[in-house]
Amino acid sequence: KNEVEQSPQNLTAQEGEFITINCSYSVGISALHWLQQHPGGGIVSLFMLSSGKKKHGRLIATINIQEKHSSLHITASHPRDSAVYICAVSNTDKLIFGTGTRLQVFP
Amino acid sequence: ETGVTQTPRHLVMGMTNKKSLKCEQHLGHNAMYWYKQSAKKPLELMFVYSLEERVENNSVPSRFSPECPNSSHLFLHLHTLQPEDSALYLCASSQRGGGDSPLHFGNGTRLTVT
Repeated sequence: KNEVEQSPQNLTAQEGEFITINCSYSVGISALHWLQQHPGGGIVSLFMLSSGKKKHGRLIATINIQEKHSSLHITASHPRDSAVYICAVSNTDKLIFGTGTRLQVFP
Repeated sequence: ETGVTQTPRHLVMGMTNKKSLKCEQHLGHNAMYWYKQSAKKPLELMFVYSLEERVENNSVPSRFSPECPNSSHLFLHLHTLQPEDSALYLCASSQRGGGDSPLHFGNGTRLTVT
């Protein structure tokens, strides 16, 4: 079992839908990262959080330290949100990555 | 120019070739990383440099050889690679090492070993 598990692995949505991607981890962490990878390969850091909730535009990230769980929400999804979303946790000075959730948003 | 820049974007090489991947960051960051991304697998950390000193070598075969001549530049020298080394190689930087500051990634080099 991976130390960082993401669900679902693949997700399709219609434009405008509310989307949730989940990340569960089994190790102690000092921070959790959400990353976005577009088909070209480049990765963008969306959020880094260690407690509570952060919001940036249509994206919201939450974390529950006690339950070792984080969610990434996308409101009013758009085709340009289509990408792979990767969760990573910081543990003993290393980042441990999930395998990613592939999201496709159709018009 | 800002951000993290990787060259080349694509590379095809034979198993007997020697090539180098280049990464440059203009963010004033102190830590730089090489990651390998293979299909359907999580990102794998290869090397970490903090203040130009290698602080992590994640059991990477010696056919991969990193070089960090200064805090803005990072190279990955490749020689006698195997077909299973074909992958996307990503460079990243962060203000500090240790995973507690946001990572900035380059667009990656798509490597194919024939």
